[in-house]
Amino acid sequence: GAGVSQTPSNKVTEKGKYVELRCDPISGHTALYWYRQSLGQGPEFLIYFQGTGAADDSGLPNDRFFAVRPEGSVSTLKIQRTERGDSAVYLCASSLKADSNQPQHFGDGTRLSIL
Amino acid sequence: SQQGEEDPQALSIQEGENATMNCSYKTSINNLQWYRQNSGRGLVHLILIRSNEREKHSGRLRVTLDTSKKSSSLLITASRAADTASYFCAYSGSARQLTFGSGTQLTVLP
Repeated sequence: GAGVSQTPSNKVTEKGKYVELRCDPISGHTALYWYRQSLGQGPEFLIYFQGTGAADDSGLPNDRFFAVRPEGSVSTLKIQRTERGDSAVYLCASSLKADSNQPQHFGDGTRLSIL
Repeated sequence: SQQGEEDPQALSIQEGENATMNCSYKTSINNLQWYRQNSGRGLVHLILIRSNEREKHSGRLRVTLDTSKKSSSLLITASRAADTASYFCAYSGSARQLTFGSGTQLTVLP
């Protein structure tokens, strides 16, 4: 596709449930980033991949959060035992390569609501 | 946690006026970028200025960077109603990921 695609666009679930959020980056982009954005705030870094490997996962808040990118393209962010504090917009971005001088291209995000 | 601060938090101007937003940061950087976000949408990259540059232009956008003061400003000239959005500065240092500021909500009144 032309841009970064994230699905679902909205997800509502109950506290304690497991959720998966999907990101389909721009074709050919080797770097993929996950951010979390709370209302009225800027995005906060969670994890980024260079190819298939997680190059930096220092932003993941705890071990309930995990992300994979098995074939170096689509990535899935997984959250176990969800808590109300996990409610936020989860943004995915990709760039041609993991170079700080490369602009990042963002999807429209998944709005996650934990009841 | 965010390490960039932006001011003002909100700015309301008339169409045709200029809008200036400021960003401050705390660490050494490789570059500083500005992004725009319309409500309910993802961020769109506007402009990147490297740490060895002081000023950069792109269309109606002008960005300055003062590394001695650890600050940057974004100027939008001749604003339009369609410029209404949130604007974020973001910077990268030794790490590849971006650290974002808290954003400025710009409203341009027709």
